Amino acid sequence: DAGVIQSPRHEVTEMGQEVTLRCKPISGHDYLFWYRQTMMRGLELLIYFNNNVPIDDSGMPEDRFSAKMPNASFSTLKIQPSEPRDSAVYFCASSLSGRGAWGNQPQHFGDGTRLSIL
Amino acid sequence: RKEVEQDPGPFNVPEGATVAFNCTYSNSASQSFFWYRQDCRKEPKLLMSVYSSGNEDGRFTAQLNRASQYISLLIRDSKLSDSATYLCVVNGIGAGNMLTFGGGTRLMVKP
Repeated sequence: DAGVIQSPRHEVTEMGQEVTLRCKPISGHDYLFWYRQTMMRGLELLIYFNNNVPIDDSGMPEDRFSAKMPNASFSTLKIQPSEPRDSAVYFCASSLSGRGAWGNQPQHFGDGTRLSIL
Repeated sequence: RKEVEQDPGPFNVPEGATVAFNCTYSNSASQSFFWYRQDCRKEPKLLMSVYSSGNEDGRFTAQLNRASQYISLLIRDSKLSDSATYLCVVNGIGAGNMLTFGGGTRLMVKP
């Protein structure tokens, strides 16, 4: 079975440009997560969706960041305008619902998008 | 206090050694626990879930101590290929399937 698919794998662009990252979750998974990873801050949750609905976006750093999930098989994370401090690896992950309210299903990660803003 | 805390390491061990990592978590109501492995410039991958009674998968043993709110990972007979960062993961505060990742412990196995 295909895993979580992210594109592009690498993105280099100049500050001020719009950046769009894409993710296709594992088929049948109803949770989708966007993370950002840097050396300084580790792995940070930005936003997550359940059944295509954003549940918690408290990790989104600024209004320059937005995420959508128009259907069960596609999500985007957009940065507009981009800044050098947005340089990081952005991961998308998906999972099945857990059992009960607490959830106990592991998340499966895509290969990530390595973003560099010059 | 961070929700999930780990010693960042690095742990430098020779091949064949036994090495143990600990992790502490702050939310006493947490129900789900995992160890993930992340290789350099790669995505995190699930290594194993951690069950209340402890569980073993080959050379890897995971333990959970709810009273003290810590999780451990023991690796026996270390291989060069075990060199990676090991992330302690706990289900987050609140409902849903949100997980909280520790900062990771880096392991380097030397010949």
